[in-house]
Amino acid sequence: EPEVTQTPSHQVTQMGQEVILRCVPISNHLYFYWYRQILGQKVEFLVSFYNNEISEKSEIFDDQFSVERPDGSNFTLKIRSTKLEDSAMYFCASREEYDSPLHFGNGTRLTVT
Amino acid sequence: DQQVKQNSPSLSVQEGRISILNCDYTNSMFDYFLWYKKYPAEGPTFLISISSIKDKNEDGRFTVFLNKSAKHLSLHIVPSQPGDSAVYFCAASGSNAGNMLTFGGGTRLMVKP
Repeated sequence: EPEVTQTPSHQVTQMGQEVILRCVPISNHLYFYWYRQILGQKVEFLVSFYNNEISEKSEIFDDQFSVERPDGSNFTLKIRSTKLEDSAMYFCASREEYDSPLHFGNGTRLTVT
Repeated sequence: DQQVKQNSPSLSVQEGRISILNCDYTNSMFDYFLWYKKYPAEGPTFLISISSIKDKNEDGRFTVFLNKSAKHLSLHIVPSQPGDSAVYFCAASGSNAGNMLTFGGGTRLMVKP
């Protein structure tokens, strides 16, 4: 079964550094998402992306965050200047159609020190 | 933000018995509901969904019930198996299913052999 793949599985970075989290959504999917889960908290929506533009974003997704689909397969989340509170599991997800279920990747654990 | 709540953080069930996981929501604009299962070190895996035009949806051992007037949904697993042991999240979205998902806090299900 096709999968959403995320790399790396674990990223450690120093506060203030830029990080790029990478995702390869399922190939025929058109809608792309980033969610995150801080340890012990709920899974939270960050951003949705369709037709090469952001369609929706949450309050968490401030100017430090950006997303890009640089080619036909990758979908990236960039955090420009990481903060300690950015430490979390970041999940990429995609869906084939507007009303089909989300399929999640296994996540990238980001640790900011 | 407590728009989607799972009041039981954990549930323990004997193998072969029924598991019932509950979820409540407050936002009357939600009309599409999903259940996800999550194993450690993996992303959420889609299980089953239901739209607000239905009150029941069944897929194999999994059945989701929706009570719109009570703003309550439940997931029934019959019969429960040890491999079902995982964290279960309910999620909801608004009038456009392509909108962001709002997740509950999860219920850890333990199925004992």
